[in-house]
This record gives sequence, C-alpha cells and structure tokens, in this order.
Amino acid sequence: SQQGEEDPQALSIQEGENATMNCSYKTSINNLQWYRQNSGRGLVHLILIRSNEREKHSGRLRVTLDTSKKSSSLLITASRAADTASYFCATDGGDMRFGAGTRLTVKP
Amino acid sequence: GAVVSQHPSWVICKSGTSVKIECRSLDFQATTMFWYRQFPKQSLMLMATSNEGSKATYEQGVEKDKFLINHASLTLSTLTVTSAHPEDSSFYICSARDWASQETQYFGPGTRLLVL
Repeated sequence: SQQGEEDPQALSIQEGENATMNCSYKTSINNLQWYRQNSGRGLVHLILIRSNEREKHSGRLRVTLDTSKKSSSLLITASRAADTASYFCATDGGDMRFGAGTRLTVKP
Repeated sequence: GAVVSQHPSWVICKSGTSVKIECRSLDFQATTMFWYRQFPKQSLMLMATSNEGSKATYEQGVEKDKFLINHASLTLSTLTVTSAHPEDSSFYICSARDWASQETQYFGPGTRLLVL
C-alpha cells in the first residue's frame, strides 16, 4: 500500500519560479527520501533526510521534515524546464513506500 | 554508487505466457530485495519483499501464485509473472538494500511489460 499523500497532484509554473511539493505519511520512519522520475523512465534519487533532521539542502533543492506532523516538503528554487518530471516522496521504515507523486511542469 | 540492474528492460508477450524478470545488485550484497509495480501516471506500489534464502512476503492484494519471487543469492532476485494477462502490463521496478549500509536502498531501471 502507499504510505501517504502528496500535494499538489500537479503543478505548473514558469521557468525561474520556485516549486513546492508536500508529502504526508502515516507511520514512523527512519528517513524520508525524494525521487524524481521522467516519463517512462527509472527513478533518480534526489535527497535523503533522516528522522532526526529538520532541514536539508542540496543545490537548488531544500527539504524539510516535521515528524510531529508526519510531513515533508521539497522546494525547488529557480526552476528550469529540465526540472519537468514527477516527484515522489518515499518513507523508509524498513521498506520504502511511495507517495502518490506530484507532476511538475516547468514552462520555458 | 551502487548499481542495480534489471533484465530485460522491456518485454512483449502473448497472454497466457510466463515472463521472468531478473534483478541483480552489481557491486554489493543485498540481503533484502523489493519488487514494485507502477501503472501509467501512478506511483510505485510495493508488491513484495524478499530476503535471501527465504520466502517472499507479499503485500495485501498481490497474488503470490501469480507473481513468483525467487531470491536465491545475495545478488540476484527474479520475478516471474505467470500466465500473464493484459492487466499485468506495467512497469516493474526492483530495489535492493545494501547489507553494509541498511539505510540505502538502490533502485533498478525498471522493466516494461506489455501483454498482448
């Protein structure tokens, strides 16, 4: 079964704008990870945040984790057309379970 | 980084035939491997978890007699879709957890199955 929800389900923005995606989950976790997937392709690992961490940065990515609310957010700053993809959060509590995903479209 | 391979990358078969998909961890030992299924425009759904040398644990709603999983070694797991039907057409992705670093789970590139 899926772990939780992501919102929005779809997001369309202009190049240069920031994109924020949210993820909620239901059970306790060891860590939470974000992945990207281009249409019809495999997963690309973006970032991992451990349960005792609150925020993490990697390049244009910023991830937050609130274990009390069982939620996480992924912020992509200064978006580019090449960022167009589906983004999934996945919780690791011994096995990895994925959220429903957000389809991001960045218009040039 | 660690690599997980899948073979074949895509397969087309006739309804009623069986299809075997291989998943290998290329440079690490994987005590646990996972199989996921992804339908178009949907997320990845965990089908089953397999530990080397023991029977796989299937998620609710996944038929164990239809999706046979064999994890015979620390680097190889196979998923056999038996008597495939068009509704089994999907993107199957395997994943392996590194024995040395339990935090890290690596994903294969996926196998696209089309059943005619």
